[in-house]
Amino acid sequence: QITLKESGPTLVKPTQTLTLTCTFSGFSLSTSGVGVGWIRQPPGEALEWLALIYWDDDKRYSPSLKSRLTITEDTSKSQVVLTMTDMDPVDTATYYCAHKRLRGGPMDSWGPGTLVTVSS
Amino acid sequence: DIQLTQSPSFLSASVGDRVTITCRASQGISSYLAWYQQKPGKAPKLLIYAASTLEGGVPSRFSGSGSGTEFTLTISSLQPEDFATYYCQQLDSYPITFGQGTRLEIK
Repeated sequence: QITLKESGPTLVKPTQTLTLTCTFSGFSLSTSGVGVGWIRQPPGEALEWLALIYWDDDKRYSPSLKSRLTITEDTSKSQVVLTMTDMDPVDTATYYCAHKRLRGGPMDSWGPGTLVTVSS
Repeated sequence: DIQLTQSPSFLSASVGDRVTITCRASQGISSYLAWYQQKPGKAPKLLIYAASTLEGGVPSRFSGSGSGTEFTLTISSLQPEDFATYYCQQLDSYPITFGQGTRLEIK
C-alpha cells in the first residue's frame, strides 16, 4: 500500500523560504519510472502543479515558479523535499505530494496535504 | 502551456442522474488525460487515466472518453457520495496542467 505524508511549517513570514518534506512508504524512488510530485491548492481555488522528481533524478518544474523551487530526494529516508524561496501571501495554499507510477502516467496516490499560510 | 477548460464549472444534479463533464485542451494531448475527484478538505482521488482507463477500485459508473483535444467524464447514475469537485489533468507535456474544476452539487 502506497502512502505519502507532507510535513513542514504551517505558518511562514513573507520573504522566508518554505521547506516541505514528503515522507512516503510502499514504493521506492529507485524503481524505474516512478516519480514524486508536488501540487498546491489555494483556498477555494484549483490545483496547480509545482514540481516532479523521477527515479533517475530527472527534475521538472513549473516554469512560472522555477526560479523559486528546488526538489530533492533522500532515497535512504524515503523522502522528497521541496523548497520554495521568497514566500508571499499569494503562496498560501494546501500543499500536496503525490506518487506517479511512470512518466506520462497519472498521480495515483496523494498525501493528505498540509496547509501553509504566509503572513507576517 | 497547455490550457484545459472544463465545462460546466458548476453542475446541479439529482441522485440517479447521468452527468457528463467536458475537458477541452488548447492543443492535442493524445490520451494523456486523467480525471480526479476531490471532496472538501480531502486530497484529490484518481478516477480515470489515459483518458478512459478506470483506476482500480473506482466504481464502474464512472467512465471517460476522448482523445486529442476533447474529453469527457461521465457518471452513469449519480450516487450521494459522488457530489464533489472534479478536475481533469494533462500529462502530455510539461508543465503539467489541471482544469479549473467542475463542482457537482445536489439539486
